[in-house]
Amino acid sequence: QQQVKQSPQSLIVQKGGISIINCAYENTAFDYFPWYQQFPGKGPALLIAIRPDVSEKKEGRFTISFNKSAKQFSLHIMDSQPGDSATYFCAARHLGGYSSASKIIFGSGTRLSIRP
Amino acid sequence: EAGVAQSPRYKIIEKRQSVAFWCNPISGHATLYWYQQILGQGPKLLIQFQNNGVVDDSQLPKDRFSAERLKGVDSTLKIQPAKLEDSAVYLCASSLALSGSKTGELFFGEGSRLTVL
Repeated sequence: QQQVKQSPQSLIVQKGGISIINCAYENTAFDYFPWYQQFPGKGPALLIAIRPDVSEKKEGRFTISFNKSAKQFSLHIMDSQPGDSATYFCAARHLGGYSSASKIIFGSGTRLSIRP
Repeated sequence: EAGVAQSPRYKIIEKRQSVAFWCNPISGHATLYWYQQILGQGPKLLIQFQNNGVVDDSQLPKDRFSAERLKGVDSTLKIQPAKLEDSAVYLCASSLALSGSKTGELFFGEGSRLTVL
């Protein structure tokens, strides 16, 4: 199954709070898990990414937690700010084989709103 | 460094008409992608080029969609004839590489928003 399931669909968090977005996958051929951030009218942009051989990666206020056995990963935004209001997509890179190329598959997105 | 350029930004057409979108990737990026993003959904890969060859077009509706990447640089995506369900944002992205040890970060353009009436 080349799918990445993302939840929740939308999320409202108070300024200063923690935003948590969850994703799950089935295919063990995924080897790289990026998160993309998209503002209205713009294309998605890479926010942070993790490989399955580590359980956590932190960059500033953004942290990815990865649970390989459960096939789940999540994005945590600490001290959420109004400027973080955007749509967030988890994604996974599917390894290609002899007859197919690697490709990035996206989740359905989470619309995050931070209340001032 | 210039980003991924796309045009037009907006297009409104009647169903059964045709439309074409253009993309110029970041210089030196060998891999180019066209994604379809329907409102409220994640980007869905339509076609992927490596230089000027197609490496994945498994989700491209080939009866109405076509794409080419001449000379391994810029690309066009065409829809003919358009259907109501083709209303979406068409995103072009490019990357240095997507396989092996390279992470293959995707750099997206701002997209072309298509409305089919």
